[in-house]
Amino acid sequence: AQTVTQSQPEMSVQEAETVTLSCTYDTSESNYYLFWYKQPPSRQMILVIRQEAYKQQNATENRFSVNFQKAAKSFSLKISDSQLGDTAMYFCASLNYGGSQGNLIFGKGTKLSVKP
Amino acid sequence: KAGVTQTPRYLIKTRGQQVTLSCSPISGHRSVSWYQQTPGQGLQFLFEYFSETQRNKGNFPGRFSGRQFSNSRSEMNVSTLELGDSALYLCASHRVVGTEAFFGQGTRLTVV
Repeated sequence: AQTVTQSQPEMSVQEAETVTLSCTYDTSESNYYLFWYKQPPSRQMILVIRQEAYKQQNATENRFSVNFQKAAKSFSLKISDSQLGDTAMYFCASLNYGGSQGNLIFGKGTKLSVKP
Repeated sequence: KAGVTQTPRYLIKTRGQQVTLSCSPISGHRSVSWYQQTPGQGLQFLFEYFSETQRNKGNFPGRFSGRQFSNSRSEMNVSTLELGDSALYLCASHRVVGTEAFFGQGTRLTVV
C-alpha cells in the first residue's frame, strides 16, 4: 500500500527566512506524481507544487521549490522568503500517474506558522 | 474558468438523518473524487468517479455513497448519520483519472 509520511507536525519560521518541510513516501509504482498542497484557515486546499517522478529536475514555483530524492523516496518542500500568508497546513501527497485508480494519498500534514 | 464548486458550504444535521452534498467540477474535467477530512484521521479517500462510473472506493461503510451525472457533476450521500461523520468533505476535480486534483472549498458537516 502507498504511504506518505510527514514527520514534522508543527514548524515555525520568521518572516523572510527559509523553511524546509519534510516528506517521505513509499510506493511500488514506477509512474507517479508528488504534490504539496497548502490549506490555509479558509480550508481551501491549494496546489503549491507538483513533481513528476520520471523527471530528475526539481520543480520550482516562485518561492517554492522541492528536493526530490527518488532513490530515498524523499520529497521536501523549501519555502524561501517566507511571508505571513504562507501560514497554513501543508500536505504532501502522492498520486499514481494515469492509472486506473486516481486517488491521492496524503500525509498527516505540517502546520506552518510564519511569525512577523 | 470557474473552479470547483461545492454546495452547501455548511450543514448541521441530527444523528440518524441523511445528507446529500454536491460538487461541480471544473468545466471539461471528467473525474471527481471525494475526501473526508477530520482532525483525528486526516484526509481519507472516499470514492472516485469517471464518466458516471465509480472507479475506486475507499474504506468507508456502505452508508457513504455517491454518483456522477452525465455533466460530470457529482453528489455524495451519507445515510443514518453518526456523530463521527462530522467532518470537512472535500471534492476534487481531475481532467481524467490519475491526473492532478483541484479542490473545492469543502462542505463542513456537523452532526449533532
